[in-house]
Amino acid sequence: EPEVTQTPSHQVTQMGQEVILRCVPISNHLYFYWYRQILGQKVEFLVSFYNNEISEKSEIFDDQFSVERPDGSNFTLKIRSTKLEDSAMYFCASSSGTQYEQYFGPGTRLTVT
Amino acid sequence: RKEVEQDPGPFNVPEGATVAFNCTYSNSASQSFFWYRQDCRKEPKLLMSVYSSGNEDGRFTAQLNRASQYISLLIRDSKLSDSATYLCVVINAGNMLTFGGGTRLMVKP
Repeated sequence: EPEVTQTPSHQVTQMGQEVILRCVPISNHLYFYWYRQILGQKVEFLVSFYNNEISEKSEIFDDQFSVERPDGSNFTLKIRSTKLEDSAMYFCASSSGTQYEQYFGPGTRLTVT
Repeated sequence: RKEVEQDPGPFNVPEGATVAFNCTYSNSASQSFFWYRQDCRKEPKLLMSVYSSGNEDGRFTAQLNRASQYISLLIRDSKLSDSATYLCVVINAGNMLTFGGGTRLMVKP
């Protein structure tokens, strides 16, 4: 069964450093997403991406965040200058269409010290 | 008012019991509805989509009441492996999933 994969599983970084989180969506999916979940809180939407551009983004997704699909398989989330409050689980998801079910990767646990 | 509201639980039930979870959503224009389950420190996994006509998948039954903006999930014959957090999820316009805070279920032997 096809699945979304994410690397690394855990990333520790110092405040102010840049991090890049990587995702490989399901191969025939066209819509890609990033969500985050701070420990003990609910899952929150960050951004959706379709046809090589951002289609929606939340208030959390400020200028410190960017997304990119550098090739035909990878989808990345970059945080330029990490803050302590960026510590969370970051989930990538993909879907085959709008309003369709989204399938999540196993997540990257980001710890900012 | 929260966009998607759920009773956080926990619901502690014995194996074999039937348990029901409810969820309300605030946006009457919401278009798609799902139940996901999440195990501790893992990703949300799609359990089922929820349709206006109601739908069933094995021991799981989901219902949607658009007039009351209410979604339910019924689990029959609970198994130990059903222990998890159940997330009510809604799509408004576009593709953004809006998650409830989840309802924790613990099934005991």
